[in-house]
Amino acid sequence: DQQVKQNSPSLSVQEGRISILNCDYTNSMFDYFLWYKKYPAEGPTFLISISSIKDKNEDGRFTVFLNKSAKHLSLHIVPSQPGDSAVYFCAASVWGNNRLAFGKGNQVVVIP
Amino acid sequence: EAQVTQNPRYLITVTGKKLTVTCSQNMNHEYMSWYRQDPGLGLRQIYYSMNVEVTDKGDVPEGYKVSRKEKRNFPLILESPSPNQTSLYFCASSSTGMPGYTFGSGTRLTVV
Repeated sequence: DQQVKQNSPSLSVQEGRISILNCDYTNSMFDYFLWYKKYPAEGPTFLISISSIKDKNEDGRFTVFLNKSAKHLSLHIVPSQPGDSAVYFCAASVWGNNRLAFGKGNQVVVIP
Repeated sequence: EAQVTQNPRYLITVTGKKLTVTCSQNMNHEYMSWYRQDPGLGLRQIYYSMNVEVTDKGDVPEGYKVSRKEKRNFPLILESPSPNQTSLYFCASSSTGMPGYTFGSGTRLTVV
């Protein structure tokens, strides 16, 4: 049973525009959420995270929004750059428990 | 440099021939884990280890073994590989209670 769901497997966006990736989770125990970015032939790298005590976390061009009541989070990339072309994985965990549940990933293509 | 090192990066083998994929981390992390990535299925956890001599099954452990005799090493063993184990494998590590993983660069395994 997929506890973390990422729909819309691929997204194409023009350089300079906003990319929005969505993620839904089913386990109400999850209280810590992360986004990972993955380039071909490389391992995933940590991008940004958010704790359930917050509803927004921002780091440069990347912002993650959390809606606990809807069990939904989203990643906004503004402005999108060609180097952002990658697969993005949403992940969730219970704080204090190292196990991460991952979504299936979203392929983002930024068109120059 | 803090890193997780996997070897080999690429491996082609035949059905039934035992193989080991090595994983080593230099960050003194207690927690280590193996994932496989398959198209349309995202990252699925195979096994994880909370510390030396403590290992447990993830979501897809069938056909795999692991051991954790030293803190820095967490090898993945396929005693009798089958074609359905053709996949991209990632090792990851983190500090206890910290869900942010550091991933290795991956091992692409093909079983023919």
